[in-house]
Amino acid sequence: NAGVTQTPKFQVLKTGQSMTLQCAQDMNHNSMYWYRQDPGMGLRLIYYSASEGTTDKGEVPNGYNVSRLNKREFSLRLESAAPSQTSVYFCASSAALQGEQYFGPGTRLTVT
Amino acid sequence: GIQVEQSPPDLILQEGANSTLRCNFSDSVNNLQWFHQNPWGQLINLFYIPSGTKQNGRLSATTVATERYSLLYISSSQTTDSGVYFCAVELDSSYKLIFGSGTRLLVRP
Repeated sequence: NAGVTQTPKFQVLKTGQSMTLQCAQDMNHNSMYWYRQDPGMGLRLIYYSASEGTTDKGEVPNGYNVSRLNKREFSLRLESAAPSQTSVYFCASSAALQGEQYFGPGTRLTVT
Repeated sequence: GIQVEQSPPDLILQEGANSTLRCNFSDSVNNLQWFHQNPWGQLINLFYIPSGTKQNGRLSATTVATERYSLLYISSSQTTDSGVYFCAVELDSSYKLIFGSGTRLLVRP
C-alpha cells in the first residue's frame, strides 16, 4: 500500500517550457488535490477533484491545468513555466471532500 | 478570509523536554488536522481532530472548537521530532485545507 505517489521528485525547467506532474493514490479515495508550498509558508490549494470526472479551481489556479485521468490518477500541467512557479508541489487525496487528507512526498520544481 | 495562527513560530528544545504548540483560528471549522513536515519535506499526518482530545504515543492533541483553538502536546521530545508542525483547518462551507505558517521545532541531543 504505497498511499500517494508523485513523479518526478525533482525537475528543472527553463522559462516557457511545459511539463506534467503525475500523482496516483491506491487508497480508493474519491477526492484529490494539488497544493504548492513556497519557502517558509504553508500549503496553498491549486486545483482539486471532488470525484472522478470533476475538477475545480482552488486558491491559486492561474498558470496550471489538471486532468483527473481516472479514480487513481490526478495530473497537474504547467503549459508555459514561469520563475514564479518555482515551488514544491504536493498531491493529496481523501475519501471524500471534507475528509482527512493524505499527502504525497512532493515534487521540487525549479524554473530558471 | 479565515486566519490560522500558530505559535510559537520557532522552538528549540533539549531532548527529553515537553512542549505545547498552539493553533488559533478565526472562524468555525469543519475539521482540523495536524501535520509534521520532516527535514526531507514529507508531510506526515499526526491527528485529524475537529474536536476533543486524541493521543498517539508521546503526542496528543486537543481541539476546543467553540473557543477556536487547538493544542499539540509533545512529551519526552526526541531529535526525530525536529521539523515543522502545521495545523490546517477546513471551513464548514469549504473543501480545502487552509494551513497556518507552522512552528519550526529543533530538538537538540
